[in-house]
Parts: sequence; structure tokens; C-alpha cells
Amino acid sequence: GENVEQHPSTLSVQEGDSAVIKCTYSDSASNYFPWYKQELGKRPQLIIDIRSNVGEKKDQRIAVTLNKTAKHFSLHITETQPEDSAVYFCAAAIYNQGGKLIFGQGTELSVKP
Amino acid sequence: GAVVSQHPSWVICKSGTSVKIECRSLDFQATTMFWYRQFPKQSLMLMATSNEGSKATYEQGVEKDKFLINHASLTLSTLTVTSAHPEDSSFYICSARDPTGNSPLHFGNGTRLTVT
Repeated sequence: GENVEQHPSTLSVQEGDSAVIKCTYSDSASNYFPWYKQELGKRPQLIIDIRSNVGEKKDQRIAVTLNKTAKHFSLHITETQPEDSAVYFCAAAIYNQGGKLIFGQGTELSVKP
Repeated sequence: GAVVSQHPSWVICKSGTSVKIECRSLDFQATTMFWYRQFPKQSLMLMATSNEGSKATYEQGVEKDKFLINHASLTLSTLTVTSAHPEDSSFYICSARDPTGNSPLHFGNGTRLTVT
């Protein structure tokens, strides 16, 4: 089955700096790669996603890149703000399977003012 | 937009009792729902896929007799933790996706289970 590896497990940056979180996946059939932000005790919130037919997607300060050949995908957050502090999870899925997500281990991002 | 409702949001039960958690799709029909478990400071681990009108599909290592899943209607899936033990204390969260259109996956708010 699918296996998703996420790095780093913790990331501390200064406000205004960029943050990059990387994930790899194992199943070449996976074609949907969402990123979630989770605050303590809350459900994960989708922040951006990408399908395997594109290599990059951007939404304001957040971007995701996908390298299908290498089975890598990354989250980039620019101009980080203290409110970006949270745990971020990447995930992989086969989209037409209805949403069976396999999650990475998570990255605890801390943005210091 | 599409919303998934989960109930209860938290529950405390005694060891040996059973607890039922409900997951409802509010404005779409979900033939498939997913149940995840999340221990503190860990990732979300898929427990099972709930299939409307048929048996759930459990992930490796998840005891089907302990975690009973029922998906009797197109808008409701339930997870029952039977004979709960303290090690079952966790955050349980369901998800579903509107199969029509290009909708993203929606998560319920989660249920914090504490077994004493």
C-alpha cells in the first residue's frame, strides 16, 4: 500500500522567512496530494492540494510543487506569520477512490515573531 | 458547501463499556466514508473505509471486532468502540467526499475519546 514520508518533523522560522516541508510517496498510482493544517484539538483544514496532472500550484503565500518522477511533493510558505504556526500534514490518495488519504507524519511549524 | 458532522465531540467512558461515534454528511450522499485515529502528537492513521450497504474495509492491524463500523444509510456512518480500554483513548475523526463534481474531502470535527 501507499506510504508517505514527511520531513522535517519540526521546523522553526523567523517571521517573514520562508518554510518548506517535503514529502515523498511510494505508490505511483497516487494522483492527489493535499496539504492540511491542524491546530491543537481541531480537525485538519485543507490549505492547498495538487493533482498529478500539474507540477505546481500557488495560492497567495502558499505553493505546492510535485515531481511525479521522483514521487516528491513539497509545501512552500512564504512571508511566514505567527498565525501560520501549527502542525502541517501532507497526504496522498488516488482521487477517484473517494478520498482514502494516507498521511505523512506531520511537521510542527513554529513561526517566531 | 458540503459539510461533515461528527458527534459527540468528546466523550469520557469507563473501561469495558462501548462508545458510538456518528459521522453524517449533511448536504451530500456519501457512499464511502473514512475513519481515522490520531494519538497525541502523531499523524492521522486510517482505520477503515466505511461502505454504504456493505462491510467496512479495515486497515491492517485494526481489530474489526473491536471497532464496529456501520454505514446503513447514504448520510450516516457510525463507529462503535467496543469494550473500550484506556489505550483506546484517542482523537477519532471521520471524512467523506461529495462524489459529484470536484469537491475536496471534508473532515468531521473529530471526537476526543477518553477511557478511564
